[in-house]
Amino acid sequence: AQSVTQLGSHVSVSEGALVLLRCNYSSSVPPYLFWYVQYPNQGLQLLLKYTSAATLVKGINGFEAEFKKSETSFHLTKPSAHMSDAAEYFCAVRNTGGFKTIFGAGTRLFVKA
Amino acid sequence: GAGVSQSPSNKVTEKGKDVELRCDPISGHTALYWYRQSLGQGLEFLIYFQGNSAPDKSGLPSDRFSAERTGGSVSTLTIQRTQQEDSAVYLCASSLDSPGEQFFGPGTRLTVL
Repeated sequence: AQSVTQLGSHVSVSEGALVLLRCNYSSSVPPYLFWYVQYPNQGLQLLLKYTSAATLVKGINGFEAEFKKSETSFHLTKPSAHMSDAAEYFCAVRNTGGFKTIFGAGTRLFVKA
Repeated sequence: GAGVSQSPSNKVTEKGKDVELRCDPISGHTALYWYRQSLGQGLEFLIYFQGNSAPDKSGLPSDRFSAERTGGSVSTLTIQRTQQEDSAVYLCASSLDSPGEQFFGPGTRLTVL
């Protein structure tokens, strides 16, 4: 069965600091992996996705994530946090052969001035 | 060019009543998903529809929950005999294909008194 674990329900960084949001997955088959962001009172939108091409995936707003099969990880990073990055971030996994997507519990990112 | 729409945006109901939540996916999207987002928790998969295939209902929490998708387009999620623990934001998403990005609607906030 697939599962996603996001380490840390809350992460706080200073503006300009590195953002690192952790995601580990389990899947019996090669997965597709996603990061979504949810701004306050808004729906989810896709940040980036891994679909078995390049292991380093670049997304919108300067975010990127690296697929590491040996570590079953897909951590999200951004070199320099901006106040507008404050939101909740969800990691998700889906089997390549299906549509069912499993989401992690989410990590709320706080950015301090 | 509209996105995924959901109605109503907010629903307050009394315990024991039935409710219907509606989702209009993006035109042409073959896959449609329902999720539940409870306060402080991640997205809980409920059900998905893919084309004319039988829906995957494995995430429905009880037999009080049901969903249908008419004509491969609009979907209705029905909750019978609502309970207070059903209070949550119900999110609908649609995607074009696998591993297509899921486009989320704004959600319906359900409050059961």
